Amino acid sequence: GQSLEQPSEVTAVEGAIVQINCTYQTSGFYGLSWYQQHDGGAPTFLSYNGLDGLEETGRFSSFLSRSDSYGYLLLQELQMKDSASYFCAVRDPRGQNFVFGPGTRLSVLP
Amino acid sequence: EAGVAQSPRYKIIEKRQSVAFWCNPISGHATLYWYQQILGQGPKLLIQFQNNGVVDDSQLPKDRFSAERLKGVDSTLKIQPAKLEDSAVYLCASSTGHGSYEQYFGPGTRLTVT
Repeated sequence: GQSLEQPSEVTAVEGAIVQINCTYQTSGFYGLSWYQQHDGGAPTFLSYNGLDGLEETGRFSSFLSRSDSYGYLLLQELQMKDSASYFCAVRDPRGQNFVFGPGTRLSVLP
Repeated sequence: EAGVAQSPRYKIIEKRQSVAFWCNPISGHATLYWYQQILGQGPKLLIQFQNNGVVDDSQLPKDRFSAERLKGVDSTLKIQPAKLEDSAVYLCASSTGHGSYEQYFGPGTRLTVT
């Protein structure tokens, strides 16, 4: 089976940098994704790591260490609109679908 | 391109009643997913279709939930009879294929069972 852990809440101020961690325990591993979800909205895809290392997409970066079963999402130059829940998800090797973590609620303060 | 469409957006029913949700994925997307998201939790996969075939329905409570994707395009998810614990947002997502790592989510249907 698959299990993922994320901090439940993170708070930061506008302009700062924040890191959201994700640790996982899986019977097999094929990749780690990150999604953003605003209150009342749909999850939207942010990034995917299939191999170790850092992937950068604008203000957002995602990192993966398969040997440590660990990844993180790094958000730079925080803006108020970044206040949302962030979910990591690992690919389930059985059906090629994804198992989502419990989510981290990010609050950006002025 | 148009996104994933879902209807209705909101539904309130009494326990033991039945309810159905509809999803139209992005045109050309072969894979369709139904998720249940309880408030404060991550989405939980209920069923995954590849075209009109079921890939994974291991977490679908088959005694009360059913889903179909008859022509490999749009899909319906049904609950009969509903229980209080079914109150959640039901999300539909699609992706280009079985191995795609990017899923596109619809706005969801918020179900309240009283």
